[in-house]
Amino acid sequence: KQEVTQIPAALSVPEGENLVLNCSFTDSAIYNLQWFRQDPGKGLTSLLLIQSSQREQTSGRLNASLDKSSGRSTLYIAASQPGDSATYLCAVRVFGNEKLTFGTGTRLTIIP
Amino acid sequence: DTGVSQDPRHKITKRGQNVTFRCDPISEHNRLYWYRQTLGQGPEFLTYFQNEAQLEKSRLLSDRFSAERPKGSFSTLEIQRTEQGDSAMYLCASTPPANVLTFGAGSRLTVL
Repeated sequence: KQEVTQIPAALSVPEGENLVLNCSFTDSAIYNLQWFRQDPGKGLTSLLLIQSSQREQTSGRLNASLDKSSGRSTLYIAASQPGDSATYLCAVRVFGNEKLTFGTGTRLTIIP
Repeated sequence: DTGVSQDPRHKITKRGQNVTFRCDPISEHNRLYWYRQTLGQGPEFLTYFQNEAQLEKSRLLSDRFSAERPKGSFSTLEIQRTEQGDSAMYLCASTPPANVLTFGAGSRLTVL
């Protein structure tokens, strides 16, 4: 059974700093991994999708990496802004299965 | 078509009542998913449709839960004889095959 863990559960950093969010998964036979953002009381917004054959994806100030062999992914946020405050969730999909397995998220607060 | 629409956004009901949620996916997306999210947790997979066919159901989906997608367009999720443990955010997502999931804003259920 795939298990996804995100540590820390919460993180506060001053505005302007670079930061890294971590995601680990137990089954390395993944099809893809996605990072999502969720604002309080809202749905999820997809940030980055990494296919199993890829090592990283970039979008603006965001960079996600994938290391299947170690069962880890990181989301790097450069030059953080107060608007980046949200909960960040990673989710993995394994081959032959349509469902995503989510972590419990990291609640990020950027301090102005 | 601007995204995935869910209705109602918030439903408060008494224990034992039936509730129904509706999801309108992005029109060209043939795959539709339902997830449930409780406070402080990541979303958990409930069920998945490809067009009108329900192809996968989680064990979380007890006999009191039923989902339909009668014409391969909108979907409904009905919960019969609601219990307090059903209180959660019910999230719908849609996608073309092998692509990024687009989530709706969710329907929050509160069972008193």
